[in-house]
Amino acid sequence: GAVVSQHPSRVICKSGTSVKIECRSLDFQATTMFWYRQFPKQSLMLMATSNEGSKATYEQGVEKDKFLINHASLTLSTLTVTSAHPEDSSFYICSASKAGGRQETQYFGPGTRLLVL
Amino acid sequence: AQSVTQLGSHVSVSEGALVLLRCNYSSSVPPYLFWYVQYPNQGLQLLLKYTSAATLVKGINGFEAEFKKSETSFHLTKPSAHMSDAAEYFCAVRGSGYSTLTFGKGTMLLVSP
Repeated sequence: GAVVSQHPSRVICKSGTSVKIECRSLDFQATTMFWYRQFPKQSLMLMATSNEGSKATYEQGVEKDKFLINHASLTLSTLTVTSAHPEDSSFYICSASKAGGRQETQYFGPGTRLLVL
Repeated sequence: AQSVTQLGSHVSVSEGALVLLRCNYSSSVPPYLFWYVQYPNQGLQLLLKYTSAATLVKGINGFEAEFKKSETSFHLTKPSAHMSDAAEYFCAVRGSGYSTLTFGKGTMLLVSP
């Protein structure tokens, strides 16, 4: 299988604080991890793509200084929402692709629901 | 550039009826196509994928999809709906040689007894 976990599954924080979300590939090495954001009743919007050991590539309109992404190893990527505000409240989902192969599939984590008060 | 259109934000069927969820795509390069299912407050689970092999792809839970290049379609079907199939379904496209997925807006499948 290809299992991806996220931690925490749910977080509530005060406005102005920073929140870190972890994404782990449990049984495979992931050269590439992706971070998505999903608003209620909407589709997934890609925020950034991260490759192990290099800087993340952010999609247009995503503030890289606000959404810090670190991909320190082949099994772990973190997304830090800095100085969170209520408008950052959302469902954040990560995915990971296995190392190698042209037909790599993205395997998704269970998501993290962030609520900023 | 690539995009996905899912016709119908909601599809309602009776238990035991045929399920048909529509997906049309556009891609400037040969596409890889995916269907994912999302249950409430959960991440996405891969149902099936087309990666330029057989055009009729069978997935989990009895779902299948057929890639039709002439129609630029990749519709998802299941012969007989179960109550447990009620969820949101997303079609996604990725150009071969590229890593990023582009998702459709999703279709909520409602199954009534």
